Amino acid sequence: GIQVEQSPPDLILQEGANSTLRCNFSDSVNNLQWFHQNPWGQLINLFYIPSGTKQNGRLSATTVATERYSLLYISSSQTTDSGVYFCAVVETSGSRLTFGEGTQLTVNP
Amino acid sequence: NAGVMQNPRHLVRRRGQEARLRCSPMKGHSHVYWYRQLPEEGLKFMVYLQKENIIDESGMPKERFSAEFPKEGPSILRIQQVVRGDSAAYFCASSPIGRRDTQYFGPGTRLTVL
Repeated sequence: GIQVEQSPPDLILQEGANSTLRCNFSDSVNNLQWFHQNPWGQLINLFYIPSGTKQNGRLSATTVATERYSLLYISSSQTTDSGVYFCAVVETSGSRLTFGEGTQLTVNP
Repeated sequence: NAGVMQNPRHLVRRRGQEARLRCSPMKGHSHVYWYRQLPEEGLKFMVYLQKENIIDESGMPKERFSAEFPKEGPSILRIQQVVRGDSAAYFCASSPIGRRDTQYFGPGTRLTVL
């Protein structure tokens, strides 16, 4: 099956800093989603981005499907950005989401 | 437009009991997926269902676990004779079309087996 690798596994920032999270995947995909799991365990859809670039406020994401990676940018980070960020993909032959292991982000005041 | 709904949000069972987890997809969505998140781990696919059909159950444990999505009513994930290793968060997601569309996740059911 498809492999999804996220980096870095852990990231600690001061409030106001910018960060880039990376997701590499091993095969062609139909679907790529970024999620934020907050400290209460809720999964929040951030982006559906199988290719191209999208922006939503302080967050933006870029997927380069031909090179099999996606990047999530967080600008001017806030303490409420803390939590785990997951990348998940659906390979072209399937329907299930395969998740990476996540990036644990801690934003300190 | 209500999101994906799951209940109960928290469920405590003793070893050997049955656990029933319910998921109501978003309005207009006919595809349901179940995922499990063990403590300190990422989410793992369990099963993909459409109304009255199991499309892909390759992620389901071979024994004690079953899922259904009847013509009327919510999707049910059933775990018989629960063991401590079943303690996890169980998430349901729905989509309107399938593999090419965004999957929207519910808040999850946190199962604790004593």
